[in-house]
Amino acid sequence: EIVMTQSPATLSVSPGERATLSCRASQSVSSNLAWYQQKPGQAPRLLIYDTSARATGVPARFSGSGSGTDFTVIISSLQSEDFAVYYCQQYSNWPRTFGQGTKVEIK
Amino acid sequence: EVQLVESGGGWVQRGGSLRLSCAASGLTFSSYSMNWVRQPPGKGLEWISYISSSGRTTYYADSVKGRFTMSRDNAKSSLYLQMNSLRAEDTAVYFCARGFGEIDQWGQGTLVSVSS
Repeated sequence: EIVMTQSPATLSVSPGERATLSCRASQSVSSNLAWYQQKPGQAPRLLIYDTSARATGVPARFSGSGSGTDFTVIISSLQSEDFAVYYCQQYSNWPRTFGQGTKVEIK
Repeated sequence: EVQLVESGGGWVQRGGSLRLSCAASGLTFSSYSMNWVRQPPGKGLEWISYISSSGRTTYYADSVKGRFTMSRDNAKSSLYLQMNSLRAEDTAVYFCARGFGEIDQWGQGTLVSVSS
């Protein structure tokens, strides 16, 4: 099983600032990596797939990069609606696995 | 608009069984692979099972293998999860979710609570 490790666990950021979230895989997943956003009481929402492709309707302030084992999503200028928990997920192998999440909170 | 609506959650005693359903609309259900993903209260996401569009191929997480069975009825645009030998650690919100790789559509989830 591929273990996904996200860092940091919590990120405190002021509105308008940049946020950088990291995800590391225990073995290469090529570019088969997605990012999701989840707000309290809601289902997750797909943000990024194939490492860097934005899902439909996702603002351009979200960008993904990386390959192999190390991945990053950057939120260039945090808006109030971006404060949430973010998960990475690999789909290179079975079982599919998620990271434990990064909570982005208001500083 | 794509809608995935889960049902069948509730309270069950340890060792008991429960069957979850997911009704799909707004999509050609028979064309899509589907998954079940769960989330224990206050914790992260755990993928637990996958079924191909035809229903011929399934995969399971080790944590549920041998206890849970995923199936689908394309004529009814419905997805199912038969859960047997339930444990306290199976307590979670269960999401029905579309996708083979990335998951691009999610239901709102149904809560399963297993009493210990």
